[in-house]
Amino acid sequence: QVQLQESGPGLVKPSQALSLTCNVSGYSLSRAGYYWTWIRQRPGKGLEWIGFIYNTGSTHYNPSLRSRITMSLDTSENHFSLKVNSVTAADAAVYYCARAAIPPFIDYWGQGTRVTVSS
Amino acid sequence: EIVMTQSPATLSLSPGGRATLSCRASQHVNNFLAWYQQKPGQAPRLLIYGASTRASGIPARFSGSGSGTEFTLTISSLQSEDFAVYYCQQYHDWPPLTFGGGTKVEI
Repeated sequence: QVQLQESGPGLVKPSQALSLTCNVSGYSLSRAGYYWTWIRQRPGKGLEWIGFIYNTGSTHYNPSLRSRITMSLDTSENHFSLKVNSVTAADAAVYYCARAAIPPFIDYWGQGTRVTVSS
Repeated sequence: EIVMTQSPATLSLSPGGRATLSCRASQHVNNFLAWYQQKPGQAPRLLIYGASTRASGIPARFSGSGSGTEFTLTISSLQSEDFAVYYCQQYHDWPPLTFGGGTKVEI
């Protein structure tokens, strides 16, 4: 059974960077076959895809966020990470890590982690 | 970017009723369309992929149909646990993956 668990600070100051990690169990990130994904949901809003990272380290980002985000993968620790630079109040959301099949529908989700942006 | 539009925004029904949710894509997405269910405080859950294939463990009362730009999720007989928000998502043309705004099914 694949399980994903997000971790990271719940509070980030405006203009600082947000860093989140997703620990994966039940599937090795070194194996091919899936995209490892970040999705966010602003309060009371719908779902916004942030980006994917593949087992090779190749990435696909949402064009609307590409200038501020970096995703990385650590196969030895079996986790992947998201960094969002220069956060504003608009980045406050529940952030989900997830697994996407190929082609990419999302078949497993983490429980989500809430991020607040405030000084 | 493909824009996904869901209707109605809210659907008020009784247990045992039939729910019909619509999702429209701004461009053809073939059958690369998924549906998710989200309950308050929970992550979304995959219901349907490939427009009509139920995910593992999803009851048969959930069915998906459509192709191209028009899609439907039908819940044949609503159970109490089905009252939730439902999202569609296209994965035909990306980046970005895009989701609809959601339909809330309420009692």
